[in-house]
Parts: sequence; C-alpha cells; structure tokens
Amino acid sequence: QKEVEQNSGPLSVPEGAIASLNCTYSDRGSQSFFWYRQYSGKSPELIMFIYSNGDKEDGRFTAQLNKASQYVSLLIRDSQPSDSATYLCAVHNTNAGKSTFGDGTTLTVKP
Amino acid sequence: GAVVSQHPSWVICKSGTSVKIECRSLDFQATTMFWYRQFPKQSLMLMATSNEGSKATYEQGVEKDKFLINHASLTLSTLTVTSAHPEDSSFYICSAGRQGSNQPQHFGDGTRLSIL
Repeated sequence: QKEVEQNSGPLSVPEGAIASLNCTYSDRGSQSFFWYRQYSGKSPELIMFIYSNGDKEDGRFTAQLNKASQYVSLLIRDSQPSDSATYLCAVHNTNAGKSTFGDGTTLTVKP
Repeated sequence: GAVVSQHPSWVICKSGTSVKIECRSLDFQATTMFWYRQFPKQSLMLMATSNEGSKATYEQGVEKDKFLINHASLTLSTLTVTSAHPEDSSFYICSAGRQGSNQPQHFGDGTRLSIL
C-alpha cells in the first residue's frame, strides 16, 4: 500500500461544475497537508495547504482534512478549463522534514 | 511564496556528457533540498534528499555515482548527471524545504534534459 493514495483518474468535469479530488494517507504522524497543481511540462506549484481538521477555503478552492480518517480532499468550485492539470496531494511529517507525494489525479475541465 | 530558481531550464547534449543542474533558494535558507525526476505522463519520482553540509540520501534504485548531489550551502544544491545517456533524458525538478518546519516544499521550474 502506498503512503499517499489519490484517485487514479483521469477525472473529467464540465465547465462550471465542482471537481472533487481525494487523498488518503497512512502516516498518522503527518502534520501538514498540501495540494499542488502541475500543468503538463511544468513543475508543481502550491495551491493550498491545511494543518487542522475541517475546511479551509481560498477563492474557488476548498481543502478538507479529517485526521481521524486520514483523509484530505480538494474541492474546486466553478471549474474552469484552465483548472485542467494534474493535482498532487502531499503529506508532510515535520519531524522527518519530508513531504510524501501521491501519484496525482489528472483533471480535465471541458468547456 | 518562497522562490526557488533552477538552472538551466533546458539542456540538449551528446551521449557521454556530464550535465550539472543548479537549484537555488532565493529568499529562504533551505536546510533540505530534494531532487525529483519525472518521465512524460508519469508521477514525480524522488531521487534523493540532501541536507546542507552532509551527504545526500538516495532512494532505492538511484545510482549515487551516476547522480552526484552537492549541497554546500543553505541556498545552493547541484545535481550532476555524469556520463549521461539517452535513457537519462527526463524532466528533473528540485525543491527546497526546511527541516523541522511544517512549511511546504517549494519547487524550482525544472530542467528538461535531452541526451542525443
């Protein structure tokens, strides 16, 4: 079992819809959780981070964390074609000083 | 957010050449730097982790004599692909972080390496 699991995808949603990306992790010592977006041929860029249980909203993005279930998700509201990318979930263990990445979920938003 | 500069962005060279890639953290002291490789349509693969002033820790299956990593200062790490061959052609990405911090890693823009 991988340390960080994401929906294998690809995920396709129509423009304007809500895209839901899920991630589960195995390390209960993880303290920080990040979502990165990676466009084809580019390096990952950080779009959201969350440290506490619950929801965190930033514009059209909402990150949700449930440490008891070892689950973190990213919701993208009013999806746009420009949101089409691969989304990487990263789980960070501060003591180890290292983030572990999932394999990513590729999202396509169709006009 | 933090800025990580990676250079060069694109390299094309002949088989047998050694190629050095630089990764600089411009606005914070990176105690830890990570080097990744990514083949087309595949996930990021961590190659090695380096802490400033100490030897890099390589992931299983990554040849340390092939991929030389130096992290001599808190702002600079280099990856040298020695005697590169076509199968080494890939997208190499560095990222910088701080040990003991809950802050995210910040990625450089990546280096596309093509070996002819």
